[in-house]
Amino acid sequence: DAGVIQSPRHEVTEMGQEVTLRCKPISGHDYLFWYRQTMMRGLELLIYFNNNVPIDDSGMPEDRFSAKMPNASFSTLKIQPSEPRDSAVYFCASDTGDGGELFFGEGSRLTVL
Amino acid sequence: QKEVEQNSGPLSVPEGAIASLNCTYSDRGSQSFFWYRQYSGKSPELIMFIYSNGDKEDGRFTAQLNKASQYVSLLIRDSQPSDSATYLCAVPGAGNMLTFGGGTRLMVKP
Repeated sequence: DAGVIQSPRHEVTEMGQEVTLRCKPISGHDYLFWYRQTMMRGLELLIYFNNNVPIDDSGMPEDRFSAKMPNASFSTLKIQPSEPRDSAVYFCASDTGDGGELFFGEGSRLTVL
Repeated sequence: QKEVEQNSGPLSVPEGAIASLNCTYSDRGSQSFFWYRQYSGKSPELIMFIYSNGDKEDGRFTAQLNKASQYVSLLIRDSQPSDSATYLCAVPGAGNMLTFGGGTRLMVKP
């Protein structure tokens, strides 16, 4: 398996623009997670899905953030409108739900000017 | 209080020495504990997990767990410059989600 695949790897945009980050989890993994990493706040869980259903979105910072998982092989994290404080690395991760290893994608580095 | 606490470092050790990384957690009900390594510009990768009190060894790495003290540590023996990275402690929370500590940056000097 190719692992968790994220796109784009890098995104530079201007404040107010819409940003869409994409993720393809490992096939057979029932859980998908979106994390955000910054120097100040470390690695924070934003939202996670089980079998395509959002389970906990309490980490989503505000209504500008939304996430969807229309099928088992694709998820998006959207920020609209984007702000400079959204600049961070966004990681998608997946696992089987058996309490074992969480597999991370390579991350999407977002810079909002 | 954060659920998982780590000293941010950097922790600097000479090559060949033992590096000791520490983590405390707040949830007494936590049953499993994970150590992830993250190289600069890369994603976290799992290196060790531990469920039981005591020590668990895997090559040069030893994880130590003390549930009474709510303390988990990672020892790296014979540290190498390639071990220079940020080490993240993680504890499962409600549901199936992992809560990560802020990470400790380790620098191994040749």
